Amino acid sequence: ETGVTQSPTHLIKTRGQQVTLRCSSQSGHNTVSWYQQALGQGPQFIFQYYREEENGRGNFPPRFSGLQFPNYSSELNVNALELDDSALYLCASSFQTLPDEQYFGPGTRLTVT
Amino acid sequence: QKEVEQNSGPLSVPEGAIASLNCTYSDRGSQSFFWYRQYSGKSPELIMSIYSNGDKEDGRFTAQLNKASQYVSLLIRDSQPSDSATYLCASRSGGYNKLIFGAGTRLAVHP
Repeated sequence: ETGVTQSPTHLIKTRGQQVTLRCSSQSGHNTVSWYQQALGQGPQFIFQYYREEENGRGNFPPRFSGLQFPNYSSELNVNALELDDSALYLCASSFQTLPDEQYFGPGTRLTVT
Repeated sequence: QKEVEQNSGPLSVPEGAIASLNCTYSDRGSQSFFWYRQYSGKSPELIMSIYSNGDKEDGRFTAQLNKASQYVSLLIRDSQPSDSATYLCASRSGGYNKLIFGAGTRLAVHP
């Protein structure tokens, strides 16, 4: 157990809808990163939050957005869901300075129909 | 072009043998490298990190890094059926803590 929690565990949405996923970071960690993992692939970086600001973004469209709160927890919001958004969404927490090891939560399985 | 490459496998080894998992990366600026283990339906679990050239040992696991060859490997000694999982290699790239993952190598340890 890493101490990183995510909710919900599973989610089924319809194309065009909006979804919010939540993550609580491990105690002492101030950085949260979000990843998308499609079936059979490695996780792909969506974005990272540090001190409540976006601190880097991967190759994802603007309909993927996020927030970080003063307690370092975070949300991932996806608007206008597409079928290809079906994936495991992973949150990882870390401390910004070395060692820069990232610890993953259990993930949220999103299915878009 | 993928930035971290792994053989997808499956790599099949008998119980008690040494499993050797390999990974190459394209970004010479990468500074940190990680191995994660992912069981089916679960999230990745960090098992090793390595930052300097050479070997790093932790129990049955040894990570090897060769920055000149842009090559990272993971050796698992005395493989057990419980080691059967997908092993993900990742590098830290850029000025922030972004991880680039390979697609993973599936390891199967048979009794």
